[in-house]
Amino acid sequence: QKEVEQNSGPLSVPEGAIASLNCTYSDRGSQSFFWYRQYSGKSPELIMSIYSNGDKEDGRFTAQLNKASQYVSLLIRDSQPSDSATYLCAGRSYNTDKLIFGTGTRLQVFP
Amino acid sequence: DTEVTQTPKHLVMGMTNKKSLKCEQHMGHRAMYWYKQKAKKPPELMFVYSYEKLSINESVPSRFSPECPNSSLLNLHLHALQPEDSALYLCASSQGTGRAYEQYFGPGTRLTVT
Repeated sequence: QKEVEQNSGPLSVPEGAIASLNCTYSDRGSQSFFWYRQYSGKSPELIMSIYSNGDKEDGRFTAQLNKASQYVSLLIRDSQPSDSATYLCAGRSYNTDKLIFGTGTRLQVFP
Repeated sequence: DTEVTQTPKHLVMGMTNKKSLKCEQHMGHRAMYWYKQKAKKPPELMFVYSYEKLSINESVPSRFSPECPNSSLLNLHLHALQPEDSALYLCASSQGTGRAYEQYFGPGTRLTVT
């Protein structure tokens, strides 16, 4: 069974801090990974995609992928209360179009 | 522009009704998806259309019937649903199928079956 695992949280961080969200996956065939943000009652919004080992930065967001450890993370710098949401990690194997989602981590940023 | 639109936003239907959900994208994407999401759970894939052909059916009950009239439109026909089918139904699209393509979600249709 191919799985993507996330800590459900909540992860509470103060405004201005770095929030670190983590995800592990069991399928070594997974080639690409995606982070989605989902506000309560809304649909998932794509934040970052990452395909290669290492870091990928976009504004306040940095995605990190370590294929040897089967680990993906999302760092949010200068966290804002508006970042409070559930963050979904998803992976996809090379031979399928199916995204495998983790259960999501709820992030709370307090003023 | 990464906009996927869905109608209606909300739908309440009885177990004997027939209704349809609609999804549209004008990004030239060639793959479209239906997902179902229950509260506090991740999205669950239902169907994938690639180049207007059904490529994945995740063993969805026949009371859900997808249709892809053209590359921009995706419908989900609903008939004889059960209360446990109440959920947020999400449409997504991507440029194509394959590892490099990102999926973009529409706002969803909140379905309540009474």
